[in-house]
This record gives sequence, C-alpha cells and structure tokens, in this order.
Amino acid sequence: AQSVTQLDSHVSVSEGTPVLLRCNYSSSYSPSLFWYVQHPNKGLQLLLKYTSAATLVKGINGFEAEFKKSETSFHLTKPSAHMSDAAEYFCVVSPRGGSYIPTFGRGTSLIVHP
Amino acid sequence: GAGVSQTPSNKVTEKGKYVELRCDPISGHTALYWYRQSLGQGPEFLIYFQGTGAADDSGLPNDRFFAVRPEGSVSTLKIQRTERGDSAVYLCASSLGQGSPYEQYFGPGTRLTVT
Repeated sequence: AQSVTQLDSHVSVSEGTPVLLRCNYSSSYSPSLFWYVQHPNKGLQLLLKYTSAATLVKGINGFEAEFKKSETSFHLTKPSAHMSDAAEYFCVVSPRGGSYIPTFGRGTSLIVHP
Repeated sequence: GAGVSQTPSNKVTEKGKYVELRCDPISGHTALYWYRQSLGQGPEFLIYFQGTGAADDSGLPNDRFFAVRPEGSVSTLKIQRTERGDSAVYLCASSLGQGSPYEQYFGPGTRLTVT
C-alpha cells in the first residue's frame, strides 16, 4: 500500500521569497517520488523525480527536493519565487516494483503575490 | 515533437448516454495510463496498458468503464450509462516503459460534464 499527504492545500508567498511545498509519503516498497506542476488549462508537467540515486534532486525552473527516508518526506523548495510559478503542484509516489501504479497527492496551490 | 493529445477537449452529455474519450500517445511509448481528476483533487489512477494489454485495471470504478488499446498506440476510454458523478477531467499519459523511473507525459485532458 502507498499514500501521499500534501500538508498544505494552499501556500501563499511574495515574489522573490523562498517556496516550501511539503509532502509526506508511505510505501510498502522502496518508492520513486515525483513532483508535477499543473498550470491552468495546461497538462501536468514533470518538475523532478527521485528514483534511487542522489537524495537531493534538482529539477526545472530552479526547483529542488530532498528525499528523507527517516522522515518519509519529499519536500519541494525554490529559493526565490517568480510570478510564473503560480500553479498547482502534485507530489506523486510510485513503487519501483509490484503494481507500478502511481499515487498522487491532493495538490498544493501556490499563490505568488507581487 | 508531438506530445500526448486527447480528444475531445470538452464533452457534455446527458445522464445515461454513452461516451468515448480518445488518447493519442507519444509515438514509441509502450505504456499508457488513464486517470480521472475531480475538482480540487489529484489525478486518480484508472487503468494502464503495456502494449495492447491492460496491465492493471484496478482503478476502474465499476463495469460501466472500459478501455481499449487494440494496436498498442491509440487508446479509447468508454463510459456506458453515464452518471452525474462521472463528471471530471479525464487525463491520459504515456511513457517509454511501465512504472518508475520512466517519466509520464500527460495530455491536456478531456473535461466530461454529465447533465
């Protein structure tokens, strides 16, 4: 069994300030973890993924995430928010074996104020 | 290159009618996934194909839902006797292989409204 909890439904930041979107997971298997972004009326786009290599993962547009097994967390961060970062963000857990079925979190809406 | 495409982009139908939603994956991608996304929720897995066969259909909510991929490329999600609760955005994704670490590429979705 696997599950994903995105701890905040909405996060509001000012442009130029750091971003933190929180994600906790549980998985019976050694998981792969992903962050996807969904802009209004656009398809989901992969930001970054953790499969089994370095625990600090760098993605597109300056985002990064750190896999912390002891905390079962995979939080997404960015040092400085840009207006174009305003979107819905989804944390995803997928087993590396077994069913291969990914589980999405409920999403965190990132609001960026000028 | 061309991404994943889905048609129609919007579909409005009456309760009890039959609908078909189409997905054209990226050429060469062997795995194809269908998801349903309700308002304010993350995508929920429905079914995935590896080639022509349904590798896992455990997410289909009931027997009114069915999907095919006869030639291992285009897939069609079919919903019989639609209900208002079926209203959602239906997403399709394809990938080079099944499971992680393969990235899934998503289409823009079909918004289904059942009146």
